[in-house]
Amino acid sequence: EVQLLESGGGLVQPGGSLRLSCAASGFTFSSYAMSWVRQAPGKGLEWVSGTSGRGDYTYYADSVKGRFTISRDSSKNTLYLQMNSLRAEDTAVYFCAKSPTPSTVTNFDYWGQGTLVTVSS
Amino acid sequence: QLVLTQSPSASASLGASVKLTCTLSSGHSNYAIAWHQQQPEKGPRYLMKVKSDGSHSKGDGIPDRFSGSSSGAERYLTISSLQSEDEADYYCHTWDTDIHVFGGGTKLTVL
Repeated sequence: EVQLLESGGGLVQPGGSLRLSCAASGFTFSSYAMSWVRQAPGKGLEWVSGTSGRGDYTYYADSVKGRFTISRDSSKNTLYLQMNSLRAEDTAVYFCAKSPTPSTVTNFDYWGQGTLVTVSS
Repeated sequence: QLVLTQSPSASASLGASVKLTCTLSSGHSNYAIAWHQQQPEKGPRYLMKVKSDGSHSKGDGIPDRFSGSSSGAERYLTISSLQSEDEADYYCHTWDTDIHVFGGGTKLTVL
């Protein structure tokens, strides 16, 4: 059974940093592209960043480019999102999502339950 | 510009059928899309991928009550024999190189 478990969310001040983690199980982690997708309170879904199965390709939404960094550790079956220079508009639930493809981020066939990030002073 | 348009809300009675629509922007009518369901206070759940030819491939464990189809730039999700647990937000999603777009979502109410 595929499972994705996010952690690392919390309250952070504007300009601060936070690192999210997504522990994956039930599939060969290094064989699939992965992404982070967020949802601001009461709003819809917004793709944030993605990475290929081997981690050699990374992709970012314009809204986070230069501030967020996606990475993965296949030895720990874990996906990360390093978030720097956080803004109030980054407040959202962050979901980890798996793609059914190895190299490029296409569809999302499994999702985690999310972790809440609140940026506020 | 790649855009997906969904009606904000829909409703149907328990046991009835409902057809949700997702419209691709001009010039993108050949794109595949995916449908995702989000029940209250939960993470999204992948339902199916729908191609421009109307073929669809469902996610693991998705009941036969859920089906997909296409016509031109429109992609559809049909839910038959509506159950109370189908009350949820439904999002369509499409993608291109380095771009991922979600529709605004349709909130389905089961009466």
